[in-house]
Amino acid sequence: AQKITQTQPGMFVQEKEAVTLDCTYDTSDQSYGLFWYKQPSSGEMIFLIYQGSYDEQNATEGRYSLNFQKARKSANLVISASQLGDSAMYFCAMREKSGGSNYKLTFGKGTLLTVNP
Amino acid sequence: KAGVTQTPRYLIKTRGQQVTLSCSPISGHRSVSWYQQTPGQGLQFLFEYFSETQRNKGNFPGRFSGRQFSNSRSEMNVSTLELGDSALYLCASRVTGGQAEAFFGQGTRLTVV
Repeated sequence: AQKITQTQPGMFVQEKEAVTLDCTYDTSDQSYGLFWYKQPSSGEMIFLIYQGSYDEQNATEGRYSLNFQKARKSANLVISASQLGDSAMYFCAMREKSGGSNYKLTFGKGTLLTVNP
Repeated sequence: KAGVTQTPRYLIKTRGQQVTLSCSPISGHRSVSWYQQTPGQGLQFLFEYFSETQRNKGNFPGRFSGRQFSNSRSEMNVSTLELGDSALYLCASRVTGGQAEAFFGQGTRLTVV
């Protein structure tokens, strides 16, 4: 079973509009972390935002915010005021505490975001 | 501060050959992880190294191996290359402790012909 599900293979948004990229996860751990990464065509994975399972507030980083709904096991990324440079693949990832000190990220399949002028 | 550096960026190898990829982490980062990215399987965890020790390994055959040096630089080796090993190999480094995010390099794109 997939641990991270991103149901939108592709999304389109007009420049300056907001867009939400969906992510649901599956874990039996109480302590875990959720990450969003951006991958432009150059290949590098760029860290965007992090949400801990015990964090009560939704994480925000500039134009990025994470809509964390723990009971629904969802961690959607919201990008406000989209820019042309936001066009890229976006990956949701999770690290489970059961890994102990080990650090392993499990990634979703990704969503290709295209920002139209 | 320099980011994670992976060399080479592109590589073409023949089936049956072996290949070594290199990763220099961000200064001060002691944990280095490797991931394989393919269109079919997506991003998959290969292994993680910390203080020259492999701490965690993904579900890959023994042809995939790695090591870490005392300066935290890491190398990944794939022996007896197969066509299916064609992929983008990404290296990530992080400070240890807590849920610190991992910072990725630009990857090495390996093509096996």
